[in-house]
Amino acid sequence: DLLLTQSPSSLSASVGDRVTITCRASQAVRNYIAWYQQKPGQAPKSLIYGSWALHSGVPSRFSGSGSGTDFTLTISSLQPEDSATYYCQHYNGYPQTFGQGTKLE
Amino acid sequence: EVQLEEFGGGLVQPGGSLRLSCAVSGFTVSSSHMTWVRQAPGKGLEWVAAIYTGGSTYYVDSVKGRFTFSRDNSKNTLYLQMNSLRVEDTAVYYCARDAGSYATDVWGKGTTVTVSS
Repeated sequence: DLLLTQSPSSLSASVGDRVTITCRASQAVRNYIAWYQQKPGQAPKSLIYGSWALHSGVPSRFSGSGSGTDFTLTISSLQPEDSATYYCQHYNGYPQTFGQGTKLE
Repeated sequence: EVQLEEFGGGLVQPGGSLRLSCAVSGFTVSSSHMTWVRQAPGKGLEWVAAIYTGGSTYYVDSVKGRFTFSRDNSKNTLYLQMNSLRVEDTAVYYCARDAGSYATDVWGKGTTVTVSS
């Protein structure tokens, strides 16, 4: 089965910082990589699909990129409300796979 | 407005059964692929099951033979029948829409299932 490994597992950053989270797949995948944001006690929120496309309403400071086995989520200028856990997901067929999450403080 | 609302969570003993419901508004369940995703306490997200528009169902290996995903088109509602529950099934269960190439785009707020003696 496909494995997704996120790094780092957690990170601390300041308002205005540029932050990058990496998602590495155990085998090459097509660009069916999505990213989700989850705040404590809340359901996940969909941010990015197709490795780079933003869902409607997602601030433009969020961006995604990558191909093959390596994908990244970048927040260009960190805001206080971005404190959350972020998950990548491979969604081409079933079973779908999530990364283990990156906690951003 | 597109909305998903889960019901049916609770406390159940190991070996017991529970049926979760997901009431959908804003679109028809028969025209969308739908999924269940769960999150154990303090853990990450785990995909559990899916139902295609055509009715085909898919499950993660750990729940195959124990969970059944179904839908009632007339009520626009989804169901997850969970039998032979185990302690490791304890989690918040989210109902979500699988929008194909757009990935999972709508999530419910979740319902908590606790399996404990």
